[in-house]
Amino acid sequence: EPEVTQTPSHQVTQMGQEVILRCVPISNHLYFYWYRQILGQKVEFLVSFYNNEISEKSEIFDDQFSVERPDGSNFTLKIRSTKLEDSAMYFCASNPSGGVGKTQYFGPGTRLLVL
Amino acid sequence: AQSVTQPDIHITVSEGASLELRCNYSYGATPYLFWYVQSPGQGLQLLLKYFSGDTLVQGIKGFEAEFKRSQSSFNLRKPSVHWSDAAEYFCAVGSPGNTPLVFGKGTRLSVIA
Repeated sequence: EPEVTQTPSHQVTQMGQEVILRCVPISNHLYFYWYRQILGQKVEFLVSFYNNEISEKSEIFDDQFSVERPDGSNFTLKIRSTKLEDSAMYFCASNPSGGVGKTQYFGPGTRLLVL
Repeated sequence: AQSVTQPDIHITVSEGASLELRCNYSYGATPYLFWYVQSPGQGLQLLLKYFSGDTLVQGIKGFEAEFKRSQSSFNLRKPSVHWSDAAEYFCAVGSPGNTPLVFGKGTRLSVIA
């Protein structure tokens, strides 16, 4: 069964460094999402992406964040200058073409620790 | 704005016992409701979903959930829990189309012998 994959599974970085989290969505899916979960808190929406552009973003997704689909298969989340509060589990999700009731399929997550 | 409340942070049940995980939502229209499960080191796996129709929905691994509009609830149930059900369970609400999901904080399920 096709699944969303994410790399790396864990990443440790120093505050102020740039990180890129990678996701490979399910191949025939067209909508892509990033969510994050700070330890002990809710899973929160960051951004959605369709047709090579951001379709929606939350207030969390500020100028430090960017997303890209560089090659038709990968979907990346970049944090330009990490802060301690960026430490979280980051989930990528995808769903098929538009329409009512499409289910989002999630990857296993990348656990980011900013020191 | 949409919101989801999962009142129980942690539940412990005995293997073979029944299970009910609570979920309450706030949403102006008819919601799309989901239950996801996350085992350690794994992603969020969809257990079941409700969009319309029969308010009792069946999912994978023997789980079911009932949508009760009058109570704004979508509780997850399983008649007999197995040790492999130990995981974190998340309730989420969405709306038509490809809008983001709003999640609850999750309920961690422990299963004891």
